[in-house]
Amino acid sequence: AQKVTQAQTEISVVEKEDVTLDCVYETRDTTYYLFWYKQPPSGELVFLIRRNSFDEQNEISGRYSWNFQKSTSSFNFTITASQVVDSAVYFCALGSQGGSEKLVFGKGTKLTVNP
Amino acid sequence: EPEVTQTPSHQVTQMGQEVILRCVPISNHLYFYWYRQILGQKVEFLVSFYNNEISEKSEIFDDQFSVERPDGSNFTLKIRSTKLEDSAMYFCASSLAGGDTQYFGPGTRLTVL
Repeated sequence: AQKVTQAQTEISVVEKEDVTLDCVYETRDTTYYLFWYKQPPSGELVFLIRRNSFDEQNEISGRYSWNFQKSTSSFNFTITASQVVDSAVYFCALGSQGGSEKLVFGKGTKLTVNP
Repeated sequence: EPEVTQTPSHQVTQMGQEVILRCVPISNHLYFYWYRQILGQKVEFLVSFYNNEISEKSEIFDDQFSVERPDGSNFTLKIRSTKLEDSAMYFCASSLAGGDTQYFGPGTRLTVL
C-alpha cells in the first residue's frame, strides 16, 4: 500500500529563516510520482512541483528547492529566506503510473512564518 | 491560465438531503477526480473518472455517492442522503492523462446540519 508521512505537524519560523519540510513515502511501484501542494488559509490546493521516480535531480525554483532521495524514500522541500506569504499547510503526495491514478496525501505540515 | 472551477463555494444542507457539487475541469483534460478534506485533516481520494466511467473509487465512495459528466464540460458529485460526517471540503481535480499532474479546484465546503 502507498503511504506518505509528514512527521512535522507544525513549524513556526521567523521571516527570512530557511525551513525544510520533510516527506517520507512508501510504495512498491517502480514508477511513481511525488508532488508538493500548498494550501494557503483561503483553502485551495496549489500545485508546486511534480517529480518522477526515475529523475532524482534536485530542483530549484526561486526560493523553493526540493531534494529527492530514493535511497531514503524522501522528498523534502526547502524554503529559503521564508516570507509571511509562505504561511500555509504544505502537503506531500504520491501517485503511481498505471492502474491507479489516485494521489495519496500526507497529513500536511502547517508552516507559520512570523514577521 | 486554465483552471478548475467549482460551484458552489459553500453549501449548507440538512441531514438526509441530496446535494450536487459541480466542477468544470480544465477543458482539454481527460481524467477527473473528487477528493475530500475533513476540517484539519489530510486530503482523501474519493473517485477517479475517465472515458465516461469510474476508473477507481475508494472505500469512502459508497452507494450514496455518484459522479456524472452530464455534458462536455461539467463533472458532478452527488451525495444522495447526506450525513453529518459528510461535512468536509470537496475538491475536484483534473489531469491531462493518468499519472499527470492533477490540478485542483478551489473546493466546495459542505456543511451538513
